[in-house]
Amino acid sequence: KQEVTQIPAALSVPEGENLVLNCSFTDSAIYNLQWFRQDPGKGLTSLLLIQSSQREQTSGRLNASLDKSSGRSTLYIAASQPGDSATYLCAVNIIGGTYKYIFGTGTRLKVLA
Amino acid sequence: DAGITQSPRHKVTETGTPVTLRCHQTENHRYMYWYRQDPGHGLRLIHYSYGVKDTDKGEVSDGYSVSRSKTEDFLLTLESATSSQTSVYFCAISEHRAIQETQYFGPGTRLLVL
Repeated sequence: KQEVTQIPAALSVPEGENLVLNCSFTDSAIYNLQWFRQDPGKGLTSLLLIQSSQREQTSGRLNASLDKSSGRSTLYIAASQPGDSATYLCAVNIIGGTYKYIFGTGTRLKVLA
Repeated sequence: DAGITQSPRHKVTETGTPVTLRCHQTENHRYMYWYRQDPGHGLRLIHYSYGVKDTDKGEVSDGYSVSRSKTEDFLLTLESATSSQTSVYFCAISEHRAIQETQYFGPGTRLLVL
């Protein structure tokens, strides 16, 4: 059974700091991995999607990497800003006939001004 | 933003009553999903649909049923609501023509079962 873990559960950093969020998964049989952002009381917004054959994806100040063999992904946020404060979730799209996503429990990020 | 709406957005109900949540999309996406989000558990898949009248169970399907009679609507029914079903429910859609397609989420429904 696929399990997705995110560490740390919460993180507080000063503005301007570069930071890394971690995601690990137990089964490497995945189509892709996605990172989402969730603001309080809101739905999820996709940030980056990495195909299983890719190593990384970049969007602005965000960079996500994938090491499928070791079951790990990282989300790197450069020059963090207070507006980056949110919960970040990773999800794996598992192989198994139909498309299902398994989510981690998220990392709650607070960037202090 | 993807055209996904959920109704109602908030609901308070009593234990033992039936509840139906509706997800409506305007994107004509094939796949639709229902998740629940609870503290400490993240998002957990309840049921999903891969086409009209084609549905399957997720990891926490007990106590829930779904129906999809047309592409744009996916209904989640709690036949007899229990307090353990108090949660935030999210609908999502996706289309997998090229595998890399992402999921788009609705705004969520907050359900309180007293």
